[in-house]
Amino acid sequence: ETGVTQSPTHLIKTRGQQVTLRCSSQSGHNTVSWYQQALGQGPQFIFQYYREEENGRGNFPPRFSGLQFPNYSSELNVNALELDDSALYLCASSWPGLARNEQFFGPGTRLTVL
Amino acid sequence: GQNIDQPTEMTATEGAIVQINCTYQTSGFNGLFWYQQHAGEAPTFLSYNVLDGLEEKGRFSSFLSRSKGYSYLLLKELQMKDSASYLCAVRPDQAGTALIFGKGTTLSVSS
Repeated sequence: ETGVTQSPTHLIKTRGQQVTLRCSSQSGHNTVSWYQQALGQGPQFIFQYYREEENGRGNFPPRFSGLQFPNYSSELNVNALELDDSALYLCASSWPGLARNEQFFGPGTRLTVL
Repeated sequence: GQNIDQPTEMTATEGAIVQINCTYQTSGFNGLFWYQQHAGEAPTFLSYNVLDGLEEKGRFSSFLSRSKGYSYLLLKELQMKDSASYLCAVRPDQAGTALIFGKGTTLSVSS
């Protein structure tokens, strides 16, 4: 286990609703990245937070937004849910000071939009 | 644009050796990662290459050629538990840590 936790594990929503996913980073890590993984695909980068500021964003619409708190935990918010938002949402934490600077992934939140 | 290609599926038998290839075209390059992902689970780190050459780590080795935009992951003495998806990912940006992933290669190991 990596020490990165996510909640909830599973979630079912309907189109048009809003959802908030949560992530606690590994101890000592100040950077959190969020990824969306559709079935049979690799993870796609949504955005990254470093010391409470957005530090890069992938090709996702503004209805995907995020937040990072002083303890480096993070939230991903998705508004106006669409069917295509059904996916595994992965959170990864890292520490830029490490030479390899690898990302440690949490177990993910499986979101189903009906 | 950013593009990472790897085969969709591979099969092998226990005890064999398998090589999973990955080619990439990205805006920048600051390291290539291989992750293993079992069905329904989080990706777990396997290897990292930033310079050309081979990195060996137990039964797993990874090779990188930056000039060719090419990497491979070599798995030796295959075990049933190696059945999983293997993800190739490039970090294109020196300043950040965001990764660009390929679609993954599903490896099935049979007895």
